[in-house]
Amino acid sequence: QQQVKQSPQSLIVQKGGISIINCAYENTAFDYFPWYQQFPGKGPALLIAIRPDVSEKKEGRFTISFNKSAKQFSLHIMDSQPGDSATYFCAAGAGNNRKLIWGLGTSLAVNP
Amino acid sequence: DTGVSQNPRHKITKRGQNVTFRCDPISEHNRLYWYRQTLGQGPEFLTYFQNEAQLEKSRLLSDRFSAERPKGSFSTLEIQRTEQGDSAMYLCASTSPLDGYTFGSGTRLTVV
Repeated sequence: QQQVKQSPQSLIVQKGGISIINCAYENTAFDYFPWYQQFPGKGPALLIAIRPDVSEKKEGRFTISFNKSAKQFSLHIMDSQPGDSATYFCAAGAGNNRKLIWGLGTSLAVNP
Repeated sequence: DTGVSQNPRHKITKRGQNVTFRCDPISEHNRLYWYRQTLGQGPEFLTYFQNEAQLEKSRLLSDRFSAERPKGSFSTLEIQRTEQGDSAMYLCASTSPLDGYTFGSGTRLTVV
C-alpha cells in the first residue's frame, strides 16, 4: 500500500518553463511534507518543506502548494533550468520521530 | 566537513559474505536514520536512533541486519549472509529536532 502517491513518474520541460510535480497522501497524522532532489550517485537533498498550518511556501524558484482537505501537495519549479534535471521525491512524516514515507520519485529533464 | 559521511561508497561482495557500512552524522545531530533505496524507488526506512538508543526498526530489517550507534556518534549497519536481494543503495541521514534530514551520499552494495 503506497501511502504517498507521486505523479508524474517522468517529466520533460523546456528551459524557462514551470515544472509541476504532485503528491497525495492518505494518513491524516502526517504533519511534515518535504521535497527532496536527488542527482545520480548522490543522496537526496532537502529542497523545501511545509507543515499543514500553511497553504503555500516559497523559497527562490521552488514553491510548495498544500491542500489539507484534499490531502495533496505539489512542487512548482519556476523558470526551470537544465541544472534542475534530477529525480524529485515527495515525502511525508508524522510526529516527533520524523520517520519519512516517500513517493516513488519523478525524473525531471529540462531541455536547454 | 559538516556533512554526513558514509563509507565505503561502493561495496561488491559475494553472496553469503558479511558486510559492514559506517555512517558519521553531523556532530550536533542526535538522530540518525538508515534507509535503503533500490533503483527507481524512493528510500525505505530501515531503522532510527536517538543518541545511542535504537528506537524503531522496520520489518524490512530482517534478522540478518543489525545496526548500532555506540556512544551516540557514528553508526554501523551490518548485513550477515548477504543475498542478491540486498543489493541496493544504503543511505544514512541525521537530523536534529528542528532540522530536516541531511543525507550522506550512500553506500552502493552489489551482491554477486
